[in-house]
Amino acid sequence: DAGVTQSPTHLIKTRGQHVTLRCSPISGHKSVSWYQQVLGQGPQFIFQYYEKEERGRGNFPDRFSARQFPNYSSELNVNALLLGDSALYLCASSWRGFSSYNSPLHFGNGTRLTVT
Amino acid sequence: QKEVEQNSGPLSVPEGAIASLNCTYSDRGSQSFFWYRQYSGKSPELIMSIYSNGDKEDGRFTAQLNKASQYVSLLIRDSQPSDSATYLCAVNTGNQFYFGTGTSLTVIP
Repeated sequence: DAGVTQSPTHLIKTRGQHVTLRCSPISGHKSVSWYQQVLGQGPQFIFQYYEKEERGRGNFPDRFSARQFPNYSSELNVNALLLGDSALYLCASSWRGFSSYNSPLHFGNGTRLTVT
Repeated sequence: QKEVEQNSGPLSVPEGAIASLNCTYSDRGSQSFFWYRQYSGKSPELIMSIYSNGDKEDGRFTAQLNKASQYVSLLIRDSQPSDSATYLCAVNTGNQFYFGTGTSLTVIP
């Protein structure tokens, strides 16, 4: 079975531009969550979607938005890019939402975003 | 206070030794706990999950949970150079997954 797939793998953007990152969960998984990881830090929670509804949002500005599609794939959009948005963006899927305690996250390979 | 705290290391152990990684968390209502391994430039990989107090063993890995002390640990027995990575502790509070900053482990041949 395919794991979590993310695209693109690398992206270089200029300040002020916008970016769309894509994620396909493991088959059968209904929850997708997004994380930002900067060098030397653990992943920071951005969004969770479960059954196509937003179920949680981390402490990120409104420039960040996301959605989940009927096939459970997801997009993360970031507008008005800042230099500080440069990071590894991770998508994780789980078979249930966060309220299900026995539903670990499975990560994709990530998208490395560089903002110049 | 951070939700999840880990010693950032680096932790160095000789090949064949036991590596001990520790993690504390702040939300007493948390119910599920995970250890992820992350190689440099790669994404986190799930290696252990633990949900109840006590020990859980899987091969060379043992996770330990003490909810009263809000403490989770990971023991790696017979450490191998391929275990050299950053180990992330993650806690699911029911609303969100929180990750520690990770402990960098180097196994010296």
